[in-house]
Amino acid sequence: AQSVTQLGSHVSVSEGALVLLRCNYSSSVPPYLFWYVQYPNQGLQLLLKYTSAATLVKGINGFEAEFKKSETSFHLTKPSAHMSDAAEYFCAVGGSARQLTFGSGTQLTVLP
Amino acid sequence: GAVVSQHPSRVICKSGTSVKIECRSLDFQATTMFWYRQFPKQSLMLMATSNEGSKATYEQGVEKDKFLINHASLTLSTLTVTSAHPEDSSFYICSATQDRPGSIQYFGAGTRLSVL
Repeated sequence: AQSVTQLGSHVSVSEGALVLLRCNYSSSVPPYLFWYVQYPNQGLQLLLKYTSAATLVKGINGFEAEFKKSETSFHLTKPSAHMSDAAEYFCAVGGSARQLTFGSGTQLTVLP
Repeated sequence: GAVVSQHPSRVICKSGTSVKIECRSLDFQATTMFWYRQFPKQSLMLMATSNEGSKATYEQGVEKDKFLINHASLTLSTLTVTSAHPEDSSFYICSATQDRPGSIQYFGAGTRLSVL
């Protein structure tokens, strides 16, 4: 069984500040881990994925995430927030990169 | 990247009518498609997994006679909400993936269903 916990349903940062969105997972098998972004009334866009290669994964739009097995975490970061980063972010875990279990989501607000 | 087209993007219907939502993979063959439902301010809940040429596998609590899924080809899956009621109003999202290690899900833009 797999599960994902996203700490903080809402995160607010100032433009230019560090973005940190937290994700912890539970998986009985080596996990595939993903971060997706969703803009209002749209589907999900893949930001990045971890599939057992490098533990530090770089994605699109300047985002990156680090897989820490000892902490069962896969937190998403971006050094400097931009107004266009405001969106809903979902962490997901998949045992075979096919069926996914999503976290509850984190709404990121970027303040001017 | 791969493109998944979902149509319509928005539909308003009367209670008791049926609504069909299409999900197409435009530039790859999708052996598996997934259908999700998303309530406002909530996460995606998997409704069913659809494999080309076989019956869909529904998640617990999802009525298969209510939500008919057809995956007749490697590029098209349809979700039909039969005899829709206001409680079926929601955001429905499909995704498609290929049958190979490391393949990811590509998502459609979603369909906003409003049942009056």
